[in-house]
Amino acid sequence: NAGVTQTPKFQVLKTGQSMTLQCAQDMNHEYMSWYRQDPGMGLRLIHYSVGAGITDQGEVPNGYNVSRSTTEDFPLRLLSAAPSQTSVYFCASRGQGRTTNEKLFFGSGTQLSVL
Amino acid sequence: DQQVKQNSPSLSVQEGRISILNCDYTNSMFDYFLWYKKYPAEGPTFLISISSIKDKNEDGRFTVFLNKSAKHLSLHIVPSQPGDSAVYFCAASVKGAQKLVFGQGTRLTINP
Repeated sequence: NAGVTQTPKFQVLKTGQSMTLQCAQDMNHEYMSWYRQDPGMGLRLIHYSVGAGITDQGEVPNGYNVSRSTTEDFPLRLLSAAPSQTSVYFCASRGQGRTTNEKLFFGSGTQLSVL
Repeated sequence: DQQVKQNSPSLSVQEGRISILNCDYTNSMFDYFLWYKKYPAEGPTFLISISSIKDKNEDGRFTVFLNKSAKHLSLHIVPSQPGDSAVYFCAASVKGAQKLVFGQGTRLTINP
């Protein structure tokens, strides 16, 4: 059981470049989300999805796009990378329903540097 | 606007002693609180949670205390072990909302 898989683990971009961070889960979770972790800021929610075809914004959505065409995948797109997007990105998923509503399962992260 | 705050960036504790990690929140609508543990180069993993209808939840060496009037929760680890060295995040959610709000994290170091 792989859980939540993120690729790549490391990425270096130049300012203005675009890229997609991949996230896949094999737990049939309806809810998926993207967080970024920055020193002194903790984990901040970028975007989330409660099911295929449904996405919504989190705390820090600017500069990022998401789509959810399948239950398993939730890619995060940077359209024009900026140095302020240098961060560690985590994808997380959970099942719906109150009992599992808050327990998130995280991937191992993508460390992104924008030069 | 930091709704969940962990004011201690780091904490150092001797092996075998008690570790106490603290978390404060400002949103009185939060009704569920969680602690996550994170090792370097890994994603956070769920540790323990507590509902706002309780003031204490225990799981082995880990106990979370909630003081709603003070808007404060704490995580107690007894006894502390070297494997407990990690970054600990507290998080909170509002019933029905789809978002978890995390604190800044506290780096716990257990010294032998």
